[in-house]
Amino acid sequence: GAVVSQHPSRVICKSGTSVKIECRSLDFQATTMFWYRQFPKKSLMLMATSNEGSKATYEQGVEKDKFLINHASLTLSTLTVTSAHPEDSSFYICSASIGGGTGELFFGEGSRLTVL
Amino acid sequence: QKEVEQDPGPLSVPEGAIVSLNCTYSNSAFQYFMWYRQYSRKGPELLMYTYSSGNKEDGRFTAQVDKSSKYISLFIRDSQPSDSATYLCAMTDIIQGAQKLVFGQGTRLTINP
Repeated sequence: GAVVSQHPSRVICKSGTSVKIECRSLDFQATTMFWYRQFPKKSLMLMATSNEGSKATYEQGVEKDKFLINHASLTLSTLTVTSAHPEDSSFYICSASIGGGTGELFFGEGSRLTVL
Repeated sequence: QKEVEQDPGPLSVPEGAIVSLNCTYSNSAFQYFMWYRQYSRKGPELLMYTYSSGNKEDGRFTAQVDKSSKYISLFIRDSQPSDSATYLCAMTDIIQGAQKLVFGQGTRLTINP
């Protein structure tokens, strides 16, 4: 299957700082990537859809100025959590589709963010 | 009512048992059905993918879709301790595709040696 790499896997930061998480499709080009957030023992919550070369589409209730998404190339999307607060602590997971409208998504390993 | 309902468990079975995991859904437009396996602190891994109704088998895993009942299942035969994980069902329609994949809550499964 398609491989999606996410980095870093774990990050601890101080409140008020910004953190960048990278998501790369290693063996395919992804015009669209997705960013999810997952709380303990909960399912995945879609935060935004990242489109290469254009602005991301955010889900209702997700602050676009807080969670900056950049999809600079067909293999890289980044999520920057700006001015992080403890309530931003969570598991963030990216995914990419191989296209064709089939709905198959391939996920990265996830990034656990802890804001002190 | 949630679009996708999945019993969160936890479900604990002895090694070698047949495991049955299920999801129900309300949107009759859903055509693509997936099962993901997620180990603790890892991203979900695509396990099975099915289009429309029917069965699909891959090794010890069998996915079933019954669109008339809006019910999907994942069966695991000869379960192993390494199968212990959270299993998430996911589905979407032809129009939305991957754009609007709807996930179940996930079922935590433990296989006891």
